[in-house]
Amino acid sequence: AQSVTQLGSHVSVSEGALVLLRCNYSSSVPPYLFWYVQYPNQGLQLLLKYTTGATLVKGINGFEAEFKKSETSFHLTKPSAHMSDAAEYFCAVNGGLTGGGNKLTFGTGTQLKVEL
Amino acid sequence: GAGVSQSPSNKVTEKGKDVELRCDPISGHTALYWYRQSLGQGLEFLIYFQGNSAPDKSGLPSDRFSAERTGGSVSTLTIQRTQQEDSAVYLCASSTKGGRSTDTQYFGPGTRLTVL
Repeated sequence: AQSVTQLGSHVSVSEGALVLLRCNYSSSVPPYLFWYVQYPNQGLQLLLKYTTGATLVKGINGFEAEFKKSETSFHLTKPSAHMSDAAEYFCAVNGGLTGGGNKLTFGTGTQLKVEL
Repeated sequence: GAGVSQSPSNKVTEKGKDVELRCDPISGHTALYWYRQSLGQGLEFLIYFQGNSAPDKSGLPSDRFSAERTGGSVSTLTIQRTQQEDSAVYLCASSTKGGRSTDTQYFGPGTRLTVL
């Protein structure tokens, strides 16, 4: 079985500051990892995903994440926050190629607030 | 093209009544997923359809929940004898290429169900 833990249910940053949202995973098989963003009253939108290959993954809106197997982490970063980044962010995992298939297991989410 | 659509966007019902939630996936997508987002449980997988294969129902919380997918396209999630704990946002997602683990799941805006 797979699981993800998102540290910090609420994160607040100043506009222009670094955004760091933490995600740690637990998986008995090599996982595939995803970050989704949810704006108010909207569905989830994929920011980026790690499946295989390069461990530093770049996504939309200037976000990136690095898969670190030794730390079982997949933290999301953005160098400079913008007001439009205020939303809820979800880390998710599935069983990858070898187990569990395609259904996603989500973390509890991190609400990002961007202040002037 | 059009994204995943869900109807109704909001549904208020009385305890004990049956409800039907509809999902129209992206045209051509063969895989369809239902998730539930609630304050107490976060985002959780409910059921997955892939082509003509038997659905993966492993996430359905009770036998009051069922879903069908007609003609490989539209899906209906039915909740019988609704309970207050069924109140949540029900999200539908679809993906292409046979629902592989690497595929991006595209989410609809959700149906907000309130059981009084």
